[in-house]
Amino acid sequence: DSGVTQTPKHLITATGQRVTLRCSPRSGDLSVYWYQQSLDQGLQFLIQYYNGEERAKGNILERFSAQQFPDLHSELNLSSLELGDSALYFCASSETESRQETQYFGPGTRLLVL
Amino acid sequence: AQSVAQPEDQVNVAEGNPLTVKCTYSVSGNPYLFWYVQYPNRGLQFLLKYITGDNLVKGSYGFEAEFNKSQTSFHLKKPSALVSDSALYFCAVYNFNKFYFGSGTKLNVKP
Repeated sequence: DSGVTQTPKHLITATGQRVTLRCSPRSGDLSVYWYQQSLDQGLQFLIQYYNGEERAKGNILERFSAQQFPDLHSELNLSSLELGDSALYFCASSETESRQETQYFGPGTRLLVL
Repeated sequence: AQSVAQPEDQVNVAEGNPLTVKCTYSVSGNPYLFWYVQYPNRGLQFLLKYITGDNLVKGSYGFEAEFNKSQTSFHLKKPSALVSDSALYFCAVYNFNKFYFGSGTKLNVKP
């Protein structure tokens, strides 16, 4: 158990809908990262937050947004969902802002868009 | 363009034999290099990383990786494979504020 929690574990929704994925980092970790893992795109880095502020951006679509709250939990919002958004979404956390820090991954949220 | 390549989709090895999972990268500058493992229905687990220093990096579960700057490679190795090492392995490169992941290599260790 990494200490990173993600909810929900599974999510089934329809095209055009909006969903919110939640991540709670390990106690004491200030950085949160979001990743998408799909069969055709592989594993992709989406975005990083550190202590409430965006720090790095990867291949995140404009339909997606994220934020990190004062209690350090983070939410990834996915809107206008398409079939291709079906994937496993991971969050990870690390202690500092530095990307060379070891990241601890949560179990993921499996999203299915029908 | 920045990229990470894992040329083998699958590696098969007998228990007790040495294993190598290959990774090459094409990025500018001096990237950070990582290896992660993913067990079925679970998230990724960090194995090891290379930032600077010795080219041979030791990590979790007896794994190590060799950084070769001239060949732009970062191959994952273990002297003696275990059946429990069977999993999906990802190489990753961090450079200029972004992470790039390889496509993953499935390691099968047979008893």
